[in-house]
Amino acid sequence: GQNIDQPTEMTATEGAIVQINCTYQTSGFNGLFWYQQHAGEAPTFLSYNVLDGLEEKGRFSSFLSRSKGYSYLLLKELQMKDSASYLCAPLDSNYQLIWGAGTKLIIKP
Amino acid sequence: IAGITQAPTSQILAAGRRMTLRCTQDMRHNAMYWYRQDLGLGLRLIHYSNTAGTTGKGEVPDGYSVSRANTDDFPLTLASAVPSQTSVYFCASSETGETGELFFGEGSRLTVL
Repeated sequence: GQNIDQPTEMTATEGAIVQINCTYQTSGFNGLFWYQQHAGEAPTFLSYNVLDGLEEKGRFSSFLSRSKGYSYLLLKELQMKDSASYLCAPLDSNYQLIWGAGTKLIIKP
Repeated sequence: IAGITQAPTSQILAAGRRMTLRCTQDMRHNAMYWYRQDLGLGLRLIHYSNTAGTTGKGEVPDGYSVSRANTDDFPLTLASAVPSQTSVYFCASSETGETGELFFGEGSRLTVL
């Protein structure tokens, strides 16, 4: 079967760094997305990785290891507005997105 | 304002009633999707359309139908609502299909009593 594992909830301090992990098992693989979703709002695109390695985009970076079925999202210089859920979503062999339940990130002052 | 518009934003519905959730996009994207989001679960694909005139079934299509008469509109219909269809429904679009960035509407919160 297809499965996505992310921590349900994480807490971090404003100004710090946090890493949100995602492990996946899918039928085939065609890349992995990360989306951010604030409470009561729609998801918004953060990153897409298709090759192994780190993709950096401002304060956010996303890493992929295809051989390990593993990705992480790294958030630096945390701000209160980063409090949100972060959704990991790999693409399977049929180009269908398989969505994780998301990690709720709580930022404390 | 460019983007995706969903209506209604919230609705309470009696079981057995018919309901259509509307979705309109003005980005001329070919692909459109309907997802439901339930607490503790990931987004689940209900139906999708890769281009106007075509539709396909997602992971949880039972009890739902869609149509794609033109590029901009992608309504989702619940023929006879049941309480298990209580959820938040998101419409999304993509220029290049699911390998590209998805743009989501603000969601429609549906409660079936």
